[in-house]
Amino acid sequence: DAMVIQNPRYQVTQFGKPVTLSCSQTLNHNVMYWYQQKSSQAPKLLFHYYDKDFNNEADTPDNFQSRRPNTSFCFLDIRSPGLGDAAMYLCATSRDFRTGVFQPQHFGDGTRLSIL
Amino acid sequence: DQQVKQNSPSLSVQEGRISILNCDYTNSMFDYFLWYKKYPAEGPTFLISISSIKDKNEDGRFTVFLNKSAKHLSLHIVPSQPGDSAVYFCAATLFFGNEKLTFGTGTRLTIIP
Repeated sequence: DAMVIQNPRYQVTQFGKPVTLSCSQTLNHNVMYWYQQKSSQAPKLLFHYYDKDFNNEADTPDNFQSRRPNTSFCFLDIRSPGLGDAAMYLCATSRDFRTGVFQPQHFGDGTRLSIL
Repeated sequence: DQQVKQNSPSLSVQEGRISILNCDYTNSMFDYFLWYKKYPAEGPTFLISISSIKDKNEDGRFTVFLNKSAKHLSLHIVPSQPGDSAVYFCAATLFFGNEKLTFGTGTRLTIIP
């Protein structure tokens, strides 16, 4: 089955130690997204890639970076994680939304990040 | 500023009855609305959507109603089944040129056998 895969499912890191979360997809979608979801809160968009074009949300902290080396993979880098960055991180993909046909986003199962 | 609100954190419904989940929004520019379903330890799964030019969209047991004047949408599940127990997220977006989904905080639906 074509899908969105996030690794690892659970990640523990130390305060201030850089961490990278990964996302891969077999859907061949050209748009990839990263969301942060804290407990009992709504998922919040951090940024997205439209092909190689990176789009950052205005309120995403500089501590969060992303890389997309090819269509299939996208990485979320947290340069110096703080206690407030403990959350579920969700990756999503969608087809080209500029075709004029609405395309829903497809989500991975998430990576739960804990900060010690 | 929570632009999409789901005011009921939880809802319990008897199996076989109708489940009604509600969602309110404040941004009148939203023109596409979606419902996602989420099981524990899994990512959200797209369920059903509706364009702002419609007031109803139906897919099997799931129907979404949109009341633009009230800035309100609802998801009806009938009949409710035990497998419907999950967290349901309402989301909204501008369609053209803006792929950003704005989510509500979710409603946990429990179907009682």
